[in-house]
Amino acid sequence: NAGVTQTPKFQVLKTGQSMTLQCAQDMNHNSMYWYRQDPGMGLRLIYYSASEGTTDKGEVPNGYNVSRLNKREFSLRLESAAPSQTSVYFCASMTLGGTEYGYTFGSGTRLTVV
Amino acid sequence: AQSVTQLDSQVPVFEEAPVELRCNYSSSVSVYLFWYVQYPNQGLQLLLKYLSGSTLVKGINGFEAEFNKSQTSFHLRKPSVHISDTAEYFCAVSDMNYGGSQGNLIFGKGTKLSVKP
Repeated sequence: NAGVTQTPKFQVLKTGQSMTLQCAQDMNHNSMYWYRQDPGMGLRLIYYSASEGTTDKGEVPNGYNVSRLNKREFSLRLESAAPSQTSVYFCASMTLGGTEYGYTFGSGTRLTVV
Repeated sequence: AQSVTQLDSQVPVFEEAPVELRCNYSSSVSVYLFWYVQYPNQGLQLLLKYLSGSTLVKGINGFEAEFNKSQTSFHLRKPSVHISDTAEYFCAVSDMNYGGSQGNLIFGKGTKLSVKP
């Protein structure tokens, strides 16, 4: 099925460990996004990539890095995980196509840092 | 920069009653507007979106929303709710002039709808 695929779905890390969250879309969208969701805070933008080869900071980029590997893939890396990064992470892609303008979200990665 | 305010963090309502979830936004440019629903421990599902045209937008599961440009609002309504509508609802906005940071989807903090029997 076409859409946005995130891996892993669940992860537990120890403080200071590193990991990469993977995201891939097969809809040929140019723009991709990483959000984090925390209770009572809604979804906040971490980083985005407007097109292949470009990345920019969103509202809460500290402690994260991203790579737009190609048009399909956009990964999020935590170099040294902290308990404050315990959250649910969503990847999304966006199409501009007229009435089809919209965003497709992955199913999320639930990350716990202990 | 855009911002979104969902005026109620929690809305309790009895089954078969009508409900309105309020959303206001601020932006210096024209916007696209969205409502998403998130059921417990699940991802985001698009309920409806306003891109242009009629200001009354109908979505899935009997929900509708009305875009009011003068009041910068996009309230979500349903005339009769069911237990299965219990979920968290998010209003979101993106601006119409795509390029650079424009086009990013900005979310409100969410409204938890709790439907009681």
